[in-house]
Parts: sequence; C-alpha cells; structure tokens
Amino acid sequence: GEDVEQSLFLSVREGDSSVINCTYTDSSSTYLYWYKQEPGAGLQLLTYIFSNMDMKQDQRLTVLLNKKDKHLSLRIADTQTGDSAIYFCAEAKRGGSYIPTFGRGTSLIVHP
Amino acid sequence: EPEVTQTPSHQVTQMGQEVILRCVPISNHLYFYWYRQILGQKVEFLVSFYNNEISEKSEIFDDQFSVERPDGSNFTLKIRSTKLEDSAMYFCASSLAGESSYNEQFFGPGTRLTVL
Repeated sequence: GEDVEQSLFLSVREGDSSVINCTYTDSSSTYLYWYKQEPGAGLQLLTYIFSNMDMKQDQRLTVLLNKKDKHLSLRIADTQTGDSAIYFCAEAKRGGSYIPTFGRGTSLIVHP
Repeated sequence: EPEVTQTPSHQVTQMGQEVILRCVPISNHLYFYWYRQILGQKVEFLVSFYNNEISEKSEIFDDQFSVERPDGSNFTLKIRSTKLEDSAMYFCASSLAGESSYNEQFFGPGTRLTVL
C-alpha cells in the first residue's frame, strides 16, 4: 500500500535554507506534491513534480526527486518568518483517482 | 481569489450525537472531497463526490458517514452517531477536474471536531 513519511519538526534561522524531506513507498506514484498549511488556513498546493523529473525549481523553492530511493525533498532558500507553516508531502498516481496520499506534515519554525 | 470555506471552524459534540460539517466549494468546481486529520496523524482521504454521487471512498467512510450536496453551493459531511475517535480536523476540498487528469485540489481551512 501507499505510505508517505516525513519528519515532524524542522527549526531554522531566518535567512538560512530549509530542507524538508519525505519518503514514499509506492513506486508507481506519478505526481508528488508539496502542500503548505498556514495557521487557520487550508492546505495550499505549493508545488508538484512529475515522477519523470529529477528536479523542479520555482523561485526560492527547489524540489528534488530521487525515484530510486523514493525520496522527495523541498528546499526553501533564504527562509523567512513568513515561511513558518506545516508542509505536507503527498503522492498520487495516474490511472487512479489522483487522490493524494499525505504524510503527517512537517512543522517548519523559522526564528530570527 | 475564490476559496473553499468551511463552517463551523470548531464543533464540540457529545458522543452519539449527529453532526453536520458544511463546506462551500469553489463555484465552478465539479469534484468535491472530504479528508480528516486526527491530531498528530496523517491527512486521510474519506470520500470524493462528483455529479451528485460518491465516486470513491476509503474504508474509513463507513455507514456512519454520508455526504450530500443539498443545493448548488453547499457540500456537507454528516456523521450520524459520533464516536470519540471521530475527533479530528476535517478538511473539505474541491477541484475543477477529477480522475481523468491531474487536478489541483483547493482545500478549506478545516473544521475541528471534538467529541466528548
């Protein structure tokens, strides 16, 4: 079955880079997502990567996918206090219903 | 910018009572979903809904749960007889497309359900 694991907490200093890691078990996963949840708000799709890609960059965000190790990471460059949130890793596959399977979420705490 | 809204933000109920959680999806979206997250655990899929019927459901979504789109705007989740283990954050989501292609799901802020 599908399973997505990620660490629960990450604390970084403002201006440093943050790297949030995720592992998944389903090798047929087609889409891998990062969602962000700010306090009091819903999950917001931050970025996603297709399984045939190794890397995707979008401004301060870099997603790296190691398909062999089933490892996904999200790097946030120059982390700001506004980046403090819970970050959810999720995967979904083509041929299914694209319902994402989520991890528990990583709480990113950015301190001055 | 259009968004998914949910009411109430927090619901407290006694065990055995019925609760209805309400969601207003984005107006031109066609697919609707409910997820839940028990404190400290993963976000779990409950059910998806399209064209006025359930298109997929998980094993969590048993006979105690039901969904309805009573009018053109609301999408509700009913729990008939709540149990302590139903205490969780319930998220509603909607998307424009569904099973046939990639679709971005837009999530509401959630309703925290506490069963005493």
